[in-house]
Amino acid sequence: EAGVTQFPSHSVIEKGQTVTLRCDPISGHDNLYWYRRVMGKEIKFLLHFVKESKQDESGMPNNRFLAERTGGTYSTLKVQPAELEDSGVYFCASSQETGGGNTIYFGEGSWLTVV
Amino acid sequence: AQSVTQPDIHITVSEGASLELRCNYSYGATPYLFWYVQSPGQGLQLLLKYFSGDTLVQGIKGFEAEFKRSQSSFNLRKPSVHWSDAAEYFCAVGAVNNNDMRFGAGTRLTVKP
Repeated sequence: EAGVTQFPSHSVIEKGQTVTLRCDPISGHDNLYWYRRVMGKEIKFLLHFVKESKQDESGMPNNRFLAERTGGTYSTLKVQPAELEDSGVYFCASSQETGGGNTIYFGEGSWLTVV
Repeated sequence: AQSVTQPDIHITVSEGASLELRCNYSYGATPYLFWYVQSPGQGLQLLLKYFSGDTLVQGIKGFEAEFKRSQSSFNLRKPSVHWSDAAEYFCAVGAVNNNDMRFGAGTRLTVKP
């Protein structure tokens, strides 16, 4: 069974450009999460989808970030326009059930560098 | 909201030595606790988790962790470290009524030959 897959694995863009990160969750997982880790800091929650609906987007840093999950399958996270402080690793994760006791499976991350 | 503290940013141990990574959490109810590992250039891999029951939890790669409610701790241990264990380790806490996990800042482990 395929795990959580993310694309691209690495991206280098200039300040002001747009980047779109894609995440394919584990098949059958209704819950999809985005997290990010900026340089040397802790991994922080961005948002949570249940199917195509945003359950919690309290961690989204500002309106330059837009997440979508049309059809409740894969998700995209767009950063427009990108700023230097957006550099970091963006992790996508998924889980089968809702609730804090369920295991969340992470992808390998999309490493974003804004120059 | 729940939170996690990993007091040690960086730890160095010799290969074959024992290891203990500290994790303290803050949460008003019974927490769900996790340890993840991130090897260089890799994603986050789940080592072990605690939901309920036996407070000593066994994980993959020879790791174990013990939940101590009185100390609000969930320390990760391994009796004999291998060079391949060099990585960054993250403790995380989940809650009953929400779905996002809170991570600690991570502990980077260096293994000396």
